[in-house]
Amino acid sequence: GAGVSQSPSNKVTEKGKDVELRCDPISGHTALYWYRQRLGQGLEFLIYFQGNSAPDKSGLPSDRFSAERTGESVSTLTIQRTQQEDSAVYLCASSLGGSQETQYFGPGTRLLVL
Amino acid sequence: GEDVEQSLFLSVREGDSSVINCTYTDSSSTYLYWYKQEPGAGLQLLTYIFSNMDMKQDQRLTVLLNKKDKHLSLRIADTQTGDSAIYFCAESRRSGGYQKVTFGTGTKLQVIP
Repeated sequence: GAGVSQSPSNKVTEKGKDVELRCDPISGHTALYWYRQRLGQGLEFLIYFQGNSAPDKSGLPSDRFSAERTGESVSTLTIQRTQQEDSAVYLCASSLGGSQETQYFGPGTRLLVL
Repeated sequence: GEDVEQSLFLSVREGDSSVINCTYTDSSSTYLYWYKQEPGAGLQLLTYIFSNMDMKQDQRLTVLLNKKDKHLSLRIADTQTGDSAIYFCAESRRSGGYQKVTFGTGTKLQVIP
């Protein structure tokens, strides 16, 4: 596609429920990243995919968070048993995977856990 | 270390120049970036500079890099109200077989008409 897309754009859920966030990267981009941005704060790295594998999961805050990527394309970020502190904007980015890592960002999913 | 630091807020008058500063700690950084985030949107790459360069100019934007002091700045000439946004500095370095990018906390630029 023309850019990185994410869905849903907004999600309101109740504490304890599971949520799935989706990212469609730019076609041909082998690298994919997930970030979390809490209100008024910077970007917090969550996970990096190269192709279908995730060589860097160091940013996932707990075992309630997981992500997968299939077919070197779509990625889903799953948050199980959501907590109120999970409320944030979740941003996805993709890049070609070369040495000059310009990342192209999607518009984000705004998650609110009540 | 991988810290990237920025001041949180900058206010300028329309037509003036804005200078947003950033410091980083990793001397092995290869590329340094400036991204812009408008309200309710994702980040958009503005410009980047390779670590062996001192300066890069792109229309109203000038990036200065002082590698010795690990200091990066973004100057916006003739600042417009449309420049109001959050500006993120980022650095990338080779780590674990890939280019890892670390973002700063962002500087909110407010342009006063």
